[in-house]
Amino acid sequence: SQQGEEDPQALSIQEGENATMNCSYKTSINNLQWYRQNSGRGLVHLILIRSNEREKHSGRLRVTLDTSKKSSSLLITASRAADTASYFCATDETTDSWGKLQFGAGTQVVVTP
Amino acid sequence: DVKVTQSSRYLVKRTGEKVFLECVQDMDHENMFWYRQDPGLGLRLIYFSYDVKMKEKGDIPEGYSVSREKKERFSLILESASTNQTSMYLCASSALGVGYEKLFFGSGTQLSVL
Repeated sequence: SQQGEEDPQALSIQEGENATMNCSYKTSINNLQWYRQNSGRGLVHLILIRSNEREKHSGRLRVTLDTSKKSSSLLITASRAADTASYFCATDETTDSWGKLQFGAGTQVVVTP
Repeated sequence: DVKVTQSSRYLVKRTGEKVFLECVQDMDHENMFWYRQDPGLGLRLIYFSYDVKMKEKGDIPEGYSVSREKKERFSLILESASTNQTSMYLCASSALGVGYEKLFFGSGTQLSVL
């Protein structure tokens, strides 16, 4: 069953602008991860945030996690055309998950020059 | 550089055929996964394996089986392909333990069943 739901489904911005997307989930988690997928390709891991963390940075990426609201956000600052991709959140549930992840439907981001 | 390799990028099969999708990883990972991806539905887990010869059903195992005879190889089998199995299939692997939870994905196999 799908755990995460991203919002918005699609986002169109210009180069240099910031892109923000949100993810909501339903059950308790060990961690939440964000992945990027370029058109027709496999997914690439971007960042992982654990349930006891509130914010994490990696380069131009900033992720927040609010476990009380069961939500996370991904911010991409100073976007580039190369950031055009679909972005997925994925949750690692707390019990007997064996490292398996539940993915949302993704946010499609288009960055225009 | 870590690598997950899926044997075919595109595959076209006929209804009723037996289909094998192969996945090989070179990272000595314990965990391997098969997902399918459909527009608007995201990725859904079909099967996963946490050790050689071990397998667990995911969320949508019906119509599929898997085989893991060697640690580096995880095969997805469609016993009798149907048109509703037309999809993008993604294989992934991960190591075991805290700190190693991220998945490494292959490039995917776009399967069309006619």
